[in-house]
Amino acid sequence: AQSVTQLGSHVSVSEGALVLLRCNYSSSVPPYLFWYVQYPNQGLQLLLKYTSAATLVKGINGFEAEFKKSETSFHLTKPSAHMSDAAEYFCAVMSSYKLIFGSGTRLLVRP
Amino acid sequence: GAGVSQSPSNKVTEKGKDVELRCDPISGHTALYWYRQSLGQGLEFLIYFQGNSAPDKSGLPSDRFSAERTGGSVSTLTIQRTQQEDSAVYLCASTLREGGAHTDTQYFGPGTRLTVL
Repeated sequence: AQSVTQLGSHVSVSEGALVLLRCNYSSSVPPYLFWYVQYPNQGLQLLLKYTSAATLVKGINGFEAEFKKSETSFHLTKPSAHMSDAAEYFCAVMSSYKLIFGSGTRLLVRP
Repeated sequence: GAGVSQSPSNKVTEKGKDVELRCDPISGHTALYWYRQSLGQGLEFLIYFQGNSAPDKSGLPSDRFSAERTGGSVSTLTIQRTQQEDSAVYLCASTLREGGAHTDTQYFGPGTRLTVL
């Protein structure tokens, strides 16, 4: 069965600092991986997705993620955090048409 | 439409009552999904529609839960005899699923927050 694990339910960074949100996957087949963001009282918005075309994936709002097969990881990064990045972030793997989500990481940005 | 819409945005009901939650997918999207987001279980898949048929109902937690889709568009998720553990945010998503690509982006609605008293 495919699954994803997100390390750290909460991550706190200062405005302007590097953002690193961790995601590790488990899959017996080449995975299709996604990062979604959820702002308070809103649905999920796609940040980026890995579809095997390129290992470094660039998304919206300055976020990017690198697929590392040797580490079974798909960590999300942003060089400089902004206050508006405060939200909950979900890593997900596609499994037979449905998304299997990690438990989420809440990003707090300190002024 | 501009995006996936869901109604109502909030629903408070009493234990034992039936509720219906509605999802309007993006126009032209053939695939529709229901997910549930709760504090204890996180985000979990409920059911998947391709057109009006549901090839995957594996996530429905009990026979109190059912869903239908008509005209290849609107979907209704029905919960009968609601229980307190049904309290959650119910999210709907749709995707074009042209050619059956597993890399299709799922576009999510804002969700319906269900509270069972």
